[in-house]
Amino acid sequence: KAGVTQTPRYLIKTRGQQVTLSCSPISGHRSVSWYQQTPGQGLQFLFEYFSETQRNKGNFPGRFSGRQFSNSRSEMNVSTLELGDSALYLCASSLGNRDSPLHFGNGTRLTVT
Amino acid sequence: TQLLEQSPQFLSIQEGENLTVYCNSSSVFSSLQWYRQEPGEGPVLLVTVVTGGEVKKLKRLTFQFGDARKDSSLHITAAQPGDTGLYLCAGLGPTNYQLIWGAGTKLIIKP
Repeated sequence: KAGVTQTPRYLIKTRGQQVTLSCSPISGHRSVSWYQQTPGQGLQFLFEYFSETQRNKGNFPGRFSGRQFSNSRSEMNVSTLELGDSALYLCASSLGNRDSPLHFGNGTRLTVT
Repeated sequence: TQLLEQSPQFLSIQEGENLTVYCNSSSVFSSLQWYRQEPGEGPVLLVTVVTGGEVKKLKRLTFQFGDARKDSSLHITAAQPGDTGLYLCAGLGPTNYQLIWGAGTKLIIKP
């Protein structure tokens, strides 16, 4: 079956702009998690959505937001982009149980200039 | 706050050598997962260990969960260039759904 799909793969934005990233989970997966990955900070948890509700949230400012649709597809939005937002944004889907393994997409590489 | 310390951060060795990567915490985890990430791709789950003292083998990779479920190790025997990648450990806390991630070990195996 198809894996987790993230679009776009690459994105270049200017400081102050906003951006929306998309994630299509594996069919049947109801949980979608978003992570920010940078060389210096590793994998940082942004938030998790389960059945259209935000179930967990990391320690990121309110500029970072997300949502999940009824078909489990998820979007992440970052407003008022800063240079420090440049990173690889990873989405992972799972069945949503506590011990369900995560299946990651290949990420969206965001560069803010 | 739960933390998971992973070491070493970087390791570059010759093909055929053995190596061990460690994940340590002062907190107890319900389970611990190991992932490998290759350049340009997302992390891929290698194994999940659940029981204290558990040892799992995946070909040349041996994973161990500490007796107290606070630490884990990954041992690679006779490393090959195909083992190159970023190895990440992630622990699941006892009460919530959120994984705690180590910072990763960047492994390079030179032919």
